[in-house]
Amino acid sequence: KQEVTQIPAALSVPEGENLVLNCSFTDSAIYNLQWFRQDPGKGLTSLLLIQSSQREQTSGRLNASLDKSSGRSTLYIAASQPGDSATYLCAVNAGKSTFGDGTTLTVKP
Amino acid sequence: SAVISQKPSRDICQRGTSLTIQCQVDSQVTMMFWYRQQPGQSLTLIATANQGSEATYESGFVIDKFPISRPNLTFSTLTVSNMSPEDSSIYLCSVEGQGKAYEQYFGPGTRLTVT
Repeated sequence: KQEVTQIPAALSVPEGENLVLNCSFTDSAIYNLQWFRQDPGKGLTSLLLIQSSQREQTSGRLNASLDKSSGRSTLYIAASQPGDSATYLCAVNAGKSTFGDGTTLTVKP
Repeated sequence: SAVISQKPSRDICQRGTSLTIQCQVDSQVTMMFWYRQQPGQSLTLIATANQGSEATYESGFVIDKFPISRPNLTFSTLTVSNMSPEDSSIYLCSVEGQGKAYEQYFGPGTRLTVT
């Protein structure tokens, strides 16, 4: 059974800092890994999708990496802004998606 | 990408009653998924709904409690039956996009409170 762990559970940083969110999974037989953002009481917004054959994906200030053999992914956020405050979820897809518990990020002005 | 809408956006229901949640997608998709997000927790897959066949339920979820319909390639409903306060959650509809393989898109969710 796939298990997905996200560390840290919560993170508070001052505006402008670069930061890294971590996601680990137990079964490397996956199609892809997807990072989402969730604002309080809202649905999920897809940030980045990394196929199993890829090593990283970039979108603006976001960079996600995938090391399938070690079961790890990181989401790097550059020059953080208060608008980045949200919960970040990673999901591993192996036919169906398994989600981590998320990292709640607070960026202080 | 896919644009997904859900109705209702939120509801407050009495225990013992049932609520049907609708999910509409702006394009035809093969697979639709229903998730539950209990307060302070992550997402748990309830079932996968394919058009023309019965939904496939995950361990811990049964059809009598969460009946699902999938009448066509753009629409699905999830009913939460005989509700109890433990059913208070956000219910989310999701689809896999037709572009990037297996990329998932989510609706805005339905926030259900059972009193």
